[in-house]
Amino acid sequence: NAGVTQTPKFRVLKTGQSMTLLCAQDMNHEYMYWYRQDPGMGLRLIHYSVGEGTTAKGEVPDGYNVSRLKKQNFLLGLESAAPSQTSVYFCASSYRLAAYNEQFFGPGTRLTVL
Amino acid sequence: AQSVTQLDSHVSVSEGTPVLLRCNYSSSYSPSLFWYVQHPNKGLQLLLKYTSAATLVKGINGFEAEFKKSETSFHLTKPSAHMSDAAEYFCVVRGPVRSQGNLIFGKGTKLSVKP
Repeated sequence: NAGVTQTPKFRVLKTGQSMTLLCAQDMNHEYMYWYRQDPGMGLRLIHYSVGEGTTAKGEVPDGYNVSRLKKQNFLLGLESAAPSQTSVYFCASSYRLAAYNEQFFGPGTRLTVL
Repeated sequence: AQSVTQLDSHVSVSEGTPVLLRCNYSSSYSPSLFWYVQHPNKGLQLLLKYTSAATLVKGINGFEAEFKKSETSFHLTKPSAHMSDAAEYFCVVRGPVRSQGNLIFGKGTKLSVKP
């Protein structure tokens, strides 16, 4: 089992460019999440999905879009990157509600927007 | 509203001495609480969780936490620190049910372990 994997590990973008971050999990989890981590801020939820074909907004959704076309994949898109989106992005998954089930995290994607 | 406050942004201990990482929570209902650990340049890993069973929760790597409702605290402890414990630790509370499993993270406590 690879667990949760993220692609790419690092990326540098110029302001206004677009990109997609890919998250994949092989644990047959229903729930998937995208977080961003900034120094001194902990993790903040961007978007999440409770199943294939569904997505919902988290705490900081502006500037991001997501898609969950397949159960095992959760994509995070930046249509027009801004320097404020420089961050480390983590994907996570859980079997069901995170309240009662552990969230498993990927290794992160470090994104810099110039 | 649900929130967590980690009282120390940085804790430094010597190897072999006890570890105490402090966390206070606020919740409008019976909380579910977690501690996660993040080693440098790694993802997060669950250390332990409290979900209204025993108030003393044992986790991996010798860590444990005690839920104290009267003090709204969920402090993380370990009797004897090891060099490999150097990492950042996050106290986490379950968000509102309507958020379908949202977790609310504290800002983190960085633990340094001196030889």
